[in-house]
Amino acid sequence: HLELQESGPGLVKPSETLSLTCSVSGGSMTTSSTYWGWVRQPPAKGLEWIGYVFYSGTTYYNPSLASRVTVSVDTSKAHFSLELTSVTAADTALYYCVRLRKGAYCSEGRCSNYWNFDLWGRGTLVTVSS
Amino acid sequence: QSVLTQPPSVSATPGHKVNISCSGGSSNIGINYVSWYQHLPGTAPKLLIYDNEKRPSGIPARFSASKSGTSAALGITELQTGDEALYYCATWDNGLGGGVFGGGTKLTVL
Repeated sequence: HLELQESGPGLVKPSETLSLTCSVSGGSMTTSSTYWGWVRQPPAKGLEWIGYVFYSGTTYYNPSLASRVTVSVDTSKAHFSLELTSVTAADTALYYCVRLRKGAYCSEGRCSNYWNFDLWGRGTLVTVSS
Repeated sequence: QSVLTQPPSVSATPGHKVNISCSGGSSNIGINYVSWYQHLPGTAPKLLIYDNEKRPSGIPARFSASKSGTSAALGITELQTGDEALYYCATWDNGLGGGVFGGGTKLTVL
C-alpha cells in the first residue's frame, strides 16, 4: 500500500527557506483527482493546509501563505517538495505530507466539492530558531 | 478564526456516546462535502469520514457523521479511552476558492 515519508532539516534559521521532501512509495502519483501536498500544525494550534500539487504540476496554495510557498512534484523520482521562504518563529510546526482527493460531484447543473486528505505521512517537526 | 466553528472541547464517559458539531455557512458546508479527521497524540491525523458520512476502510462503525444545512456532526458511540484525540472537520469553501479546517475539538473520555 502507498506510504508517505517526510524528510528535511528539523531546524531552520529565521528569514531562511524551509525545504522538505516527501517520498512516495508503494503506489502511483499520477491518479486522477489525486493531489500531493502539505499540512502543518503549529504547537498548541489546529491544522492548517499549506498547498498541494497535481502530478501535472498545477498548484494550489493557502492564500495566507501563497506569497512564500512553492510545492513541486517529480513523479520520476516519486517525490514532492515544499519550500517556504522567509520563515519566522510562527512557522515552527509539525509538517505533514499528505495525499489529497479533490474534485466535484455534479448533478443537474449543481456541483458539490469534496476535499479529503486520505493519507498522511508521520510528520516532521521543523523549528525556526537562530 | 476558521470559517468552520467547532466546540473547543467535549467530554463523555467510557461506553457512552458523544457528538461533535461543526458549523459553517452556505458557501462551504451548505453546498460541499464534509470530512472528519482524528488526531491522536503523537500520531498523524487520520481520515475518519469523507463525503459527509462515508467511512474509509478500517474505520469502525462506532464513528458516524451527518450533515444538515450548514452544519455537520460527528458521532462516536461506545466511547473508549483510546478515542481521546483532537477531531477536525473540513470542507471546501466556494467563496474562498479553497479548503478549510475547523479549529478542532478535544475529546476527553473520563
